[in-house]
Amino acid sequence: GEKVEQHESTLSVREGDSAVINCTYTDTASSYFPWYKQEAGKGLHFVIDIRSNVDRKQSQRLIVLLDKKAKRFSLHITATQPEDSAIYFCAASPNTDKVVFGTGTRLQVSP
Amino acid sequence: DPKIIQKPKYLVAVTGSEKILICEQYLGHNAMYWYRQSAKKPLEFMFSYSYQKLMDNQTASSRFQPQSSKKNHLDLQITALKPDDSATYFCASSQDRQGATEVFFGKGTRLTVV
Repeated sequence: GEKVEQHESTLSVREGDSAVINCTYTDTASSYFPWYKQEAGKGLHFVIDIRSNVDRKQSQRLIVLLDKKAKRFSLHITATQPEDSAIYFCAASPNTDKVVFGTGTRLQVSP
Repeated sequence: DPKIIQKPKYLVAVTGSEKILICEQYLGHNAMYWYRQSAKKPLEFMFSYSYQKLMDNQTASSRFQPQSSKKNHLDLQITALKPDDSATYFCASSQDRQGATEVFFGKGTRLTVV
């Protein structure tokens, strides 16, 4: 089955810098890749997604890149702010009934 | 206002007992799910339901039984509780199947089995 690896378990950046979180997946059938954010003591909150028919998607300060050949995708947060501090989960969907999550990256943005 | 309501927020149970975790969603979604998050396995898919029918079950144990009395309800019954069941259980929902659309999560029920 699909396995999603999230390479950075923790990431610390200074406010205003960019943060990049990298993920890889194993199942070539995966075609939908959402990202979620979890703040302390809360549930997951959708932030952005990308589908396999494109290789780049941007929503304000968030950019997602997808490299299908390498089975790799990444989340870029530009001009980081302290409120971006949270745990970010990448995920991959090999079919419409399943989403497999990565292990999470704790992002700390310091002022 | 939260659109996915999970009750209770915290739950302490004795080993061997049975508990029901409640979930209701007011988003008009057709699909609902249960996920489990613990220190050992960060976020683990358990069940998916679509139009009150079980679509996928990734739990190895029959001690975990989802119950859907209404389209917007998906409770989780756990029997013969073990300390290893201690985790935060998240209910989630989506308009369509989760591999196609955004999934919305509840705030979770933190279960501790002593």
